[in-house]
Amino acid sequence: DAGVTQSPTHLIKTRGQQVTLRCSPKSGHDTVSWYQQALGQGPQFIFQYYEEEERQRGNFPDRFSGHQFPNYSSELNVNALLLGDSALYLCASSLRRTGSSGNTIYFGEGSWLTVV
Amino acid sequence: RKEVEQDPGPFNVPEGATVAFNCTYSNSASQSFFWYRQDCRKEPKLLMSVYSSGNEDGRFTAQLNRASQYISLLIRDSKLSDSATYLCVVNSRGSSNTGKLIFGQGTTLQVKP
Repeated sequence: DAGVTQSPTHLIKTRGQQVTLRCSPKSGHDTVSWYQQALGQGPQFIFQYYEEEERQRGNFPDRFSGHQFPNYSSELNVNALLLGDSALYLCASSLRRTGSSGNTIYFGEGSWLTVV
Repeated sequence: RKEVEQDPGPFNVPEGATVAFNCTYSNSASQSFFWYRQDCRKEPKLLMSVYSSGNEDGRFTAQLNRASQYISLLIRDSKLSDSATYLCVVNSRGSSNTGKLIFGQGTTLQVKP
């Protein structure tokens, strides 16, 4: 049973460029959330997707956008990259069913983005 | 003010020591509470959920004080393998699998021989 998979694992981009990060949730999970973790900080919530729609959004500018596909996989897009966007981008998958025992949020290993 | 606040440390302790981490949260409507562990350059992994009655998992004990909006983690008999960053996490929803997780900055623990 594959866990949460993310790609690419590492990438370097130039200021002003655009980047797309990808995530496949754990088998059986239908909800994907994205987090940004800057060096020395805790992860910060970017947004969450369920049923192919953005359901919640954190305090991130519109340069950050996403998508969820019918197979529950998701993409995170960042436009007009800034140096400050350099961070570890984490994908978290979960099952949107309340009251179920054993449901846990699982994180992928992340995508390390460096903007130069 | 950050929604979840932790002392970033680092905490440097000898093997076998007992160490306690504290965390405060600002949203009184928060419903679920967790401690996550994150190893260097790895993803966060759930260490344990935190309940009002307090809960224990081996050498780890977590406590929640809703009135004070305070969460703690106690590690007894520290091992070298406990060296990591410990993240205090709060969820505004009642279930662990919905809503957004709010992370603290993390507390770094270094256990030395």
